[in-house]
Amino acid sequence: EIVLTQSPGTLSLSPGERATLSCRASQTVSNNYLTWYQQKPGQAPRLLIYGASSRATGIPDRFSGSGSGTDFTLTISRLEPEDFAVYYCLQHGSSPRTFGQGTKVEIK
Amino acid sequence: EVQLVESGGGLVQPGGSLRLSCAASGFTFSNYWMHWVRQVPGKGLVWVSRINNDGSSIIYADSVRGRFTISRDNAKNTLYLQMNSLRVDDTGVYYCASHPYFDFWGQGTLVTVSS
Repeated sequence: EIVLTQSPGTLSLSPGERATLSCRASQTVSNNYLTWYQQKPGQAPRLLIYGASSRATGIPDRFSGSGSGTDFTLTISRLEPEDFAVYYCLQHGSSPRTFGQGTKVEIK
Repeated sequence: EVQLVESGGGLVQPGGSLRLSCAASGFTFSNYWMHWVRQVPGKGLVWVSRINNDGSSIIYADSVRGRFTISRDNAKNTLYLQMNSLRVDDTGVYYCASHPYFDFWGQGTLVTVSS
């Protein structure tokens, strides 16, 4: 199965700063079927990005995804207070679907 | 408005069984493939199982194959997960989610396997 490794584990930033989150796959993610989710405490994950770079409906344009093959990035251009959360990547190009372990974006 | 509402979780002893349900509304459930995903509290997410729109194609994670059964009743707009031979490491919040991108999630139902 494809192992997704997210880095860093925790990102300490201030509102207004740029956040860059990495998701690295142990094998090529087929068709760049890589998605990103945001999860806040007590809530279900929320879809942010699909197909590595397409924003889901209603997601602000400060969120962007990039990458291909085995290296993917989620960028939040300017952090808003509501963006402090845990972010997960998922690959669904190969079975079984696998998640990364998550990156926590916390207020510095 | 799309809604997915899970139920059926609870405390069960190792070796026991539970049946989870996921009631769907606000979209044409019979057109959608569906998934179950588990999250250990405070930890990450693990995909559990997927079923296609008419129930004819099903896959499972290795960790649950032979113990869990996913099914659906399109007339009732409901997804199920029958969980047998439960183990301590099956503990977690179980979410149902829509295919292909997990666009929509329920609020989750907590399953605790403990003696």
